Amino acid sequence: ETGVTQTPRHLVMGMTNKKSLKCEQHLGHNAMYWYKQSAKKPLELMFVYSLEERVENNSVPSRFSPECPNSSHLFLHLHTLQPEDSALYLCASSQDRTNSPLHFGNGTRLTVT
Amino acid sequence: EDQVTQSPEALRLQEGESSSLNCSYTVSGLRGLFWYRQDPGKGPEFLFTLYSAGEEKEKERLKATLTKKESFLHITAPKPEDSATYLCAVQAGYSGGGADGLTFGKGTHLIIQP
Repeated sequence: ETGVTQTPRHLVMGMTNKKSLKCEQHLGHNAMYWYKQSAKKPLELMFVYSLEERVENNSVPSRFSPECPNSSHLFLHLHTLQPEDSALYLCASSQDRTNSPLHFGNGTRLTVT
Repeated sequence: EDQVTQSPEALRLQEGESSSLNCSYTVSGLRGLFWYRQDPGKGPEFLFTLYSAGEEKEKERLKATLTKKESFLHITAPKPEDSATYLCAVQAGYSGGGADGLTFGKGTHLIIQP
């Protein structure tokens, strides 16, 4: 049982749908992250939250919208996605943002049709 | 721009056949180098952090080493359960200290045949 839990594990959505991915960490960490993992590509950082402060990667399209209501929960709201957004979306947490290793959830496999 | 290159992309070994995975990096001031293991359908699992050249860390059949240009993950007498994708990531010192400075490689897909 991982200390970082993601739901749902699999999601199929059309391009006009709105859905949300959920992440919860039980490790008492202060920082949480969203990563995108596509085939044959390195992990891509999307968003970082640390003590409720959001650090955004400017290259992330606005159809991805993160929300962090508290230090244990992280959401990724999705709307008007494109087929190229199909990927594994991984949530991670760390004790802080200095040298602490990331602890990942098992991801949500997203397919956009 | 920070870069991480892992080789080989894929490696198939017989059980008990020792080998090494390579992670070459270029970074402006290394703050830390991380190794992760990822099984199919799961998220990456943290293995090691190395901070300075000459440092070594071990865990069961795995040993990670670090030089100023590359890191090796040595696998001694591997077993089928060691089959996984191994990821390397570096954190640059200029990033302000945050894990958001991590640059990942594409990984090495390791298969250990019984």
